[in-house]
Amino acid sequence: GENVEQHPSTLSVQEGDSAVIKCTYSDSASNYFPWYKQELGKGPQLIIDIRSNVGEKKDQRIAVTLNKTAKHFSLHITETQPEDSAVYFCAASKYSGGGADGLTFGKGTHLIIQP
Amino acid sequence: NAGVTQTPKFQVLKTGQSMTLQCAQDMNHNSMYWYRQDPGMGLRLIYYSASEGTTDKGEVPNGYNVSRLNKREFSLRLESAAPSQTSVYFCASTDADTQYFGPGTRLTVL
Repeated sequence: GENVEQHPSTLSVQEGDSAVIKCTYSDSASNYFPWYKQELGKGPQLIIDIRSNVGEKKDQRIAVTLNKTAKHFSLHITETQPEDSAVYFCAASKYSGGGADGLTFGKGTHLIIQP
Repeated sequence: NAGVTQTPKFQVLKTGQSMTLQCAQDMNHNSMYWYRQDPGMGLRLIYYSASEGTTDKGEVPNGYNVSRLNKREFSLRLESAAPSQTSVYFCASTDADTQYFGPGTRLTVL
C-alpha cells in the first residue's frame, strides 16, 4: 500500500517568514495530493490540493508543488501569520477525494509562528 | 448546512464496554469514512462506505464494526473496548473531489 513520509515534524518560523513542509510518497499510482490544516481540538480542514496533471498550484499565500518523477510534493506558506500556527498534514491517494482506499496521511508537521 | 457532524465529542469507557460513535453529513455525499488519529501519527482509515448498504475494511479495522444506515449516517461500533482503542475518531465524507472531516470524538478506554 501507499506510504507517506512528512518532514519536519516541528517547524518554528518568525512571523512574516516563509515555511516549507515536504512529503514523499511510495505508490506511483497516486494522483491526488491534498494538504490539511488541523487546529487544536478540531477536525482537519483542506487548505489546498494538487492533482498529478499539474506541477504547481497557488492560492494567495499558499502554494503546493509536485514532482511525480521523484515522488515528492511540498507545501509553501509565504508571509506567515500567527493564525497559520497549526498542525499540517499531507496525504496521497489514487483518486480525487480518496476513493475506496481513503487518503494515506503523513504524520503531520506542527508549525509554530513566532511573533 | 452543518457539513459533517459527530457525537459524542468526548467519551470515557472501561475495558470491555461497548459504544457506538455517530456520524452524519448533510452534503448528499455517497462516500463516507471512519479514521482514527493517534499522537504523532497521521489519520488511519478504519472503514469506508461507498454508498448506503456497502462497507469495506480499511487499514485498521480490527475491533470495529460499522453500519451505513442511510445516505446521511455512518456509525462506528466498538463491541468490547480495549485500551489500544483510545484515540480521536474522525468521520469524513467526499463528493469524489474533496474529503470533508467532522470535528472528531475523543475516546478514552481505561
